[in-house]
Amino acid sequence: EPEVTQTPSHQVTQMGQEVILRCVPISNHLYFYWYRQILGQKVEFLVSFYNNEISEKSEIFDDQFSVERPDGSNFTLKIRSTKLEDSAMYFCASSGGVGTQYFGPGTRLTVL
Amino acid sequence: QQQVKQSPQSLIVQKGGISIINCAYENTAFDYFPWYQQFPGKGPALLIAIRPDVSEKKEGRFTISFNKSAKQFSLHIMDSQPGDSATYFCAATPNQAGTALIFGKGTTLSVSS
Repeated sequence: EPEVTQTPSHQVTQMGQEVILRCVPISNHLYFYWYRQILGQKVEFLVSFYNNEISEKSEIFDDQFSVERPDGSNFTLKIRSTKLEDSAMYFCASSGGVGTQYFGPGTRLTVL
Repeated sequence: QQQVKQSPQSLIVQKGGISIINCAYENTAFDYFPWYQQFPGKGPALLIAIRPDVSEKKEGRFTISFNKSAKQFSLHIMDSQPGDSATYFCAATPNQAGTALIFGKGTTLSVSS
């Protein structure tokens, strides 16, 4: 069964450093998403992406965040200058259109 | 209006019992209501989903009941098993491609043997 994959599984970085989180969505999907989950809290939407453009973004997705589909398979989330409060699980998801979004296993980001 | 309210926060059920988790929403534009199951350290996995044109959907031991007029929906897990112990999130979305899933705060279910 096709699945969303994410790398790395755990990223540790120093405050102020840039990080790039990588995702490979399900191959025939066209819509891509990033969510985050602070430990013990609910899953929060960051951004959706379609046809090389951002479709929707939340208030959390400010200027320190950016997304990119650098090639035909990868989808990345860049955090330019990490803050302590960016520590969270980051989930990538993809969908073929309306309906179900399929989530990856997540990247645990720890900012020290 | 974008919120999805979920209760209870935690739930302990005996093996073989029925687990019931409730959610409520306000945004009438929401048109698709999935439930996700999450095990520790894993991503949310779709369990079952419903659209508001039906009042109930059943898949195996899992049933969603939907009350459109009350803007409420619930997940029932029949014959709960220890392997069902996980965190369950309800969610809602306008179900247009590319739109955000709005999640509830989650319910941690423990099924005791």
